[in-house]
Amino acid sequence: GQQLNQSPQSMFIQEGEDVSMNCTSSSIFNTWLWYKQEPGEGPVLLIALYKAGELTSNGRLTAQFGITRKDSFLNISASIPSDVGIYFCAGDRLPTGTASKLTFGTGTRLQVTL
Amino acid sequence: DSGVTQTPKHLITATGQRVTLRCSPRSGDLSVYWYQQSLDQGLQFLIQYYNGEERAKGNILERFSAQQFPDLHSELNLSSLELGDSALYFCASSPAGASSYNEQFFGPGTRLTVL
Repeated sequence: GQQLNQSPQSMFIQEGEDVSMNCTSSSIFNTWLWYKQEPGEGPVLLIALYKAGELTSNGRLTAQFGITRKDSFLNISASIPSDVGIYFCAGDRLPTGTASKLTFGTGTRLQVTL
Repeated sequence: DSGVTQTPKHLITATGQRVTLRCSPRSGDLSVYWYQQSLDQGLQFLIQYYNGEERAKGNILERFSAQQFPDLHSELNLSSLELGDSALYFCASSPAGASSYNEQFFGPGTRLTVL
């Protein structure tokens, strides 16, 4: 099945550092979502983006919908141990309406050391 | 807690068998989605139901089928199971409003092991 390209694949950072990750595609998407998944649990929605160029924050998290509509970026500032997990981007080519078909990225595994 | 519930949490069965996974969406959400997560394929969209009707389809095998009932809960049926069907199966639901429609909230998943 199709997956979006996410980088980096994994990151090992120290507590307090800032983190950047991105997601790219060869196709245009109408919506970009960012999720975090911890072991044994379902993905948790962090941020939703609906317009090209849109910049949205959720606490220490900031995400951007790329101008070309083919990419998205997630930044985490001042990381803390509970930020550990796998971060997934997801894109939807369908316009907002009653149908939705998310394509997920390959994931970025984040480890935070004290 | 997303408000989406899934049962059972774990399921172990043999090849050739049939199983049913159940999902209850968040209160007020009309859409239910099913995903499969495996190590080699990542999270893959299977199918979406909206208010009882199939609305979008992904790479769902013919051996798999789903339905959404009048009370909006959904079931995913997997038949003639193969070893490769072992995976985490997630259900998600989304609000009915157009401005936030793509925001899908995931349940805790069902881990299926086929022996």
